[in-house]
Amino acid sequence: NAGVTQTPKFRVLKTGQSMTLLCAQDMNHEYMYWYRQDPGMGLRLIHYSVGEGTTAKGEVPDGYNVSRLKKQNFLLGLESAAPSQTSVYFCASSLGLAGGEKAKNIQYFGAGTRLSVL
Amino acid sequence: EDKVVQSPLSLVVHEGDTVTLNCSYEVTNFRSLLWYKQEKKAPTFLFMLTSSGIEKKSGRLSSILDKKELFSILNITATQTGDSAVYLCAVFQGAQKLVFGQGTRLTINP
Repeated sequence: NAGVTQTPKFRVLKTGQSMTLLCAQDMNHEYMYWYRQDPGMGLRLIHYSVGEGTTAKGEVPDGYNVSRLKKQNFLLGLESAAPSQTSVYFCASSLGLAGGEKAKNIQYFGAGTRLSVL
Repeated sequence: EDKVVQSPLSLVVHEGDTVTLNCSYEVTNFRSLLWYKQEKKAPTFLFMLTSSGIEKKSGRLSSILDKKELFSILNITATQTGDSAVYLCAVFQGAQKLVFGQGTRLTINP
């Protein structure tokens, strides 16, 4: 059971470079999320998607873009990386409405991507 | 602004002790409160609470929600070194999003 898989696990970028983080889930989940985790700040929502072809902004969307072309994949892009984007990025997914009111609330997380921007 | 606050931020105890972790919240359109355990990598789901006063229990861990006072507690009895982790509290609100607290870093010393 792969669950939620994130690639890459680690990455070092120079300021101004671009990159894409990939999240893939094999649980047929409807909802997918991208978070960043910084020391002392918990998890903050960047963008999320409630279905294939849909995306929405979270709490800290600036400097990031996302796409959900296939139900199982959710991509997070950094067009021009900045040192402030140094963080650990987590992807998560949940059943969504099909799972019922309670089941849709439970999010399952990937192992994270540690990104450093120099 | 939606807010979830956990306390303490850090806690160090000896193996065998009992600990209580706190989570208070102020969110619009509250749906449920979730607890996660985060060791090295991915947060893993522990409990989901939707109703006040009903204790959820799993082994040595238990949790309860008070929707009137807007808080939840997570109890761990007879702690073991394997309980060392960051414990995250999150509230699911109407806009299909989880709002997370800062986390409590729990260290269990042998």
